[in-house]
This record gives sequence, structure tokens and C-alpha cells, in this order.
Amino acid sequence: EVQLLESGGGMVQPGGSLRLSCAASGFTFDNYAMNWVRQAPGKGLEWISGINRSGRGTYYADSVKGRFTISRDTSKNTLYLQMNSLRAEDTALYYCAKGLSSSWQVDCWGQGTLVTVSS
Amino acid sequence: DIQMTQSPSSVSASVGDTVTISCRASQGITSWLAWYQQKPGKAPKVLIYTASSLQSGVPSRFSGSGYGTDFTLTISSLQPEDVATYYCQQSNNFPLTFGGGTKVEIK
Repeated sequence: EVQLLESGGGMVQPGGSLRLSCAASGFTFDNYAMNWVRQAPGKGLEWISGINRSGRGTYYADSVKGRFTISRDTSKNTLYLQMNSLRAEDTALYYCAKGLSSSWQVDCWGQGTLVTVSS
Repeated sequence: DIQMTQSPSSVSASVGDTVTISCRASQGITSWLAWYQQKPGKAPKVLIYTASSLQSGVPSRFSGSGYGTDFTLTISSLQPEDVATYYCQQSNNFPLTFGGGTKVEIK
């Protein structure tokens, strides 16, 4: 069974940093692209970053480009999101999402980890 | 960026009705469109990928169609457990983008 378990969320002051992790199991991790998608309270879904199977291709939404960095460690079957220069508008539930087959469509989501940026 | 516009933003229908949700892309995305269902307090779940392929385990009352810029999600014979918000997403170009969502309720 595919499982994605996010961790690392919490409350942080504006300008601070957090690193999110997503532990993957139940599938061959390095065969699939991975994504981070967030959802602000009461709002819709926003894709923020993706990484290809090799880890050499990374992609970002404009809203986080230059502040967030996605990475993956195939030896640990773990996806990461390093978040710097956090802003109040980054407050959201952050989901780890597995790509479907060889595409960027998502076929499995974690349960999310909540990030709150507030002074 | 490709803008995804969903309509309606909400719909209320009776059990057994057919519900149709539209998603329009601001430029052509061939068939790179997925539909997701999100129930309150839960993570999203994929229903349809590449515009019309039904994800394993999803009831056959869900179907998708379309190509290029215009897509449709159809729920035939709406069930109480279908109460949720539905999102489309394009994966033809980065940044990947979602529609604003359609909330489906039972009348």
C-alpha cells in the first residue's frame, strides 16, 4: 500500500525557516515524480513544487520560487521541502503528492502537515 | 501560466441526479487533465487522469471527457457520499495549476 507521511510543520515567525519531510513507502520511490501542494485555510489547492524521478529536474510556482527548495533522498525514500523567508501567506496545510506513472498527475496524497506563519 | 476555470463554483442536486462540472484551460493542454475529489477534512483523491481514464477503485458513475481546452467531469446518479469539492488540474505545463473548485451538495 502506498503511504506518504509528512512531518516538520509547525508555527514559525515571518522570515523564519522550516523543512518539511515526506516519508514514502509501498512503492519504488525513485520511479516517480513527486510534488508539494498546499491548501490555505478554507481555500483551494495550490501546486507549489515538483521534482522529477532523478532529482535533477525541479520546478516551482512563482509564489515560492527563490524561497523554497525541493529535494529527494532515494536512500531514505524521503521527499523534502526547505522553506525559507516564510510569509504569513505561506500558512497552509502542505501535502506531499506522488506522480502517476510517468506523468505529473497525482495519484496519491499524504495527509498533510500544517505550517503556520505568525508573529 | 495556464489558468484553469471551473464552473459552476457550487452545485446542489438530488440523489440520483446527474451532475456536470466544467473545466476550461486558458490554452491547449491536450489530455493532461486530472480530476480530484476532496471531502471535508480529508486529503484529495484522484478520480480521473489524462482527461478520461478512471482511477482504479473509483465508482463508474464518475466519468471525464474533453481535449484541448474544454473538459467535463460527470457524476451520474449522485450519491450522498459524493458530497465534496472537486478540482481539475492541468499537468501540460509548469507551473501545474488547479481550478478553483466546485462544491457539490445534496439538495
